[in-house]
Amino acid sequence: AQTVTQSQPEMSVQEAETVTLSCTYDTSESDYYLFWYKQPPSRQMILVIRQEAYKQQNATENRFSVNFQKAAKSFSLKISDSQLGDAAMYFCAYIGPGGTYKYIFGTGTRLKVLA
Amino acid sequence: GAVVSQHPSWVICKSGTSVKIECRSLDFQATTMFWYRQFPKQSLMLMATSNEGSKATYEQGVEKDKFLINHASLTLSTLTVTSAHPEDSSFYICSAQTVGTSGSAHEQYFGPGTRLTVT
Repeated sequence: AQTVTQSQPEMSVQEAETVTLSCTYDTSESDYYLFWYKQPPSRQMILVIRQEAYKQQNATENRFSVNFQKAAKSFSLKISDSQLGDAAMYFCAYIGPGGTYKYIFGTGTRLKVLA
Repeated sequence: GAVVSQHPSWVICKSGTSVKIECRSLDFQATTMFWYRQFPKQSLMLMATSNEGSKATYEQGVEKDKFLINHASLTLSTLTVTSAHPEDSSFYICSAQTVGTSGSAHEQYFGPGTRLTVT
């Protein structure tokens, strides 16, 4: 069975600094998708970034980028120039091929941004 | 685009009563909708997957007779918590997924959630 692990329950970063959130996963599939979602205090889930496993190039969205290491089954999120509005829970998620395309979520990392 | 709404956003009900939560995709058709439950400071727990016009598929340990799901159209799914008890108090989130096209990521679009409090 596929699993997603986020080993950092909580992280802190100084405003304007860079922080990296870790995510590892386990799957026997070769074709799948990975996502990072942000859940601020409002609890609305917001898609931050997505990565297709067949793409070697790491996805980037403005200040957010990933380091996708397929062989190591690692999918970390880097937030550059951290802002106070980045403070939230961050969830890593996996979707495998076929079937109902259910998400498998990690346990989340709470990010605190210090002014 | 890809907006999902939930109604109500917050509901308080008495123990033993039933409460219905609606999930709507506002600007797209959702072939599949998912219902999650989230406890404080925890991740989302998938309760069930519903496809339009067919019975929902429940995750292991979720009581299908207690959490009734109806996916009557491509834009509406409802979750009814029957005979609610205080332990059913939680945050319920729905998501909607569009038909996958070649190369699409099958991502889910999330509603804002519903806070249920059972007294």
